[in-house]
Amino acid sequence: DGGITQSPKYLFRKEGQNVTLSCEQNLNHDAMYWYRQDPGQGLRLIYYSQIVNDFQKGDIAEGYSVSREKKESFPLTVTSAQKNPTAFYLCAVRGTGGSTEAFFGQGTRLTVV
Amino acid sequence: AQSVTQPDIHITVSEGASLELRCNYSYGATPYLFWYVQSPGQGLQLLLKYFSGDTLVQGIKGFEAEFKRSQSSFNLRKPSVHWSDAAEYFCAVGAITGYGGSQGNLIFGKGTKLSVKP
Repeated sequence: DGGITQSPKYLFRKEGQNVTLSCEQNLNHDAMYWYRQDPGQGLRLIYYSQIVNDFQKGDIAEGYSVSREKKESFPLTVTSAQKNPTAFYLCAVRGTGGSTEAFFGQGTRLTVV
Repeated sequence: AQSVTQPDIHITVSEGASLELRCNYSYGATPYLFWYVQSPGQGLQLLLKYFSGDTLVQGIKGFEAEFKRSQSSFNLRKPSVHWSDAAEYFCAVGAITGYGGSQGNLIFGKGTKLSVKP
């Protein structure tokens, strides 16, 4: 089955904990993105990566970290420094070198308990 | 600054009525424009996209959109709405991706939530 897989679908975090959200793709696309979605706020870019072993901060990177060790994988860690982590997180991939759209995973709902 | 504005936060239409969702953008170069739809708790699905050529583009589920450069708009339309169209709709603008060039990030509007009355 091709596409983008985000896991888990639901995640609960205690205060002070780090948690990692998984994003895996088999579309063989180079560019990968993490967005945060809050009600009425649209999608805001957290981090992006256009190539393995390279990534860049987006608009709201504080309190988050990423890695890109493999083309297929772009995990996002929500650290304890993120003061308001409860949100819906979306991973997206996009091809390079052409006029292509972004493809999205099904999202992870993170809740602080 | 690059931005996308969706002026309507929430729209309610009757089933069978026509629909138009507005999108205005601010972008320094020739934009690539997209409309996505999102059902609650789900990811985003592409409805249609515009890169060049004919300014009226057709998408899935009977949707279409028209690019008007002079108005910096890319409004989404559907002649007859179905109850299953109830969802949130996002307009996005972006550049071509490419390492060393544009970051390729899509900039999204804040969305328009569509409710459909029976």
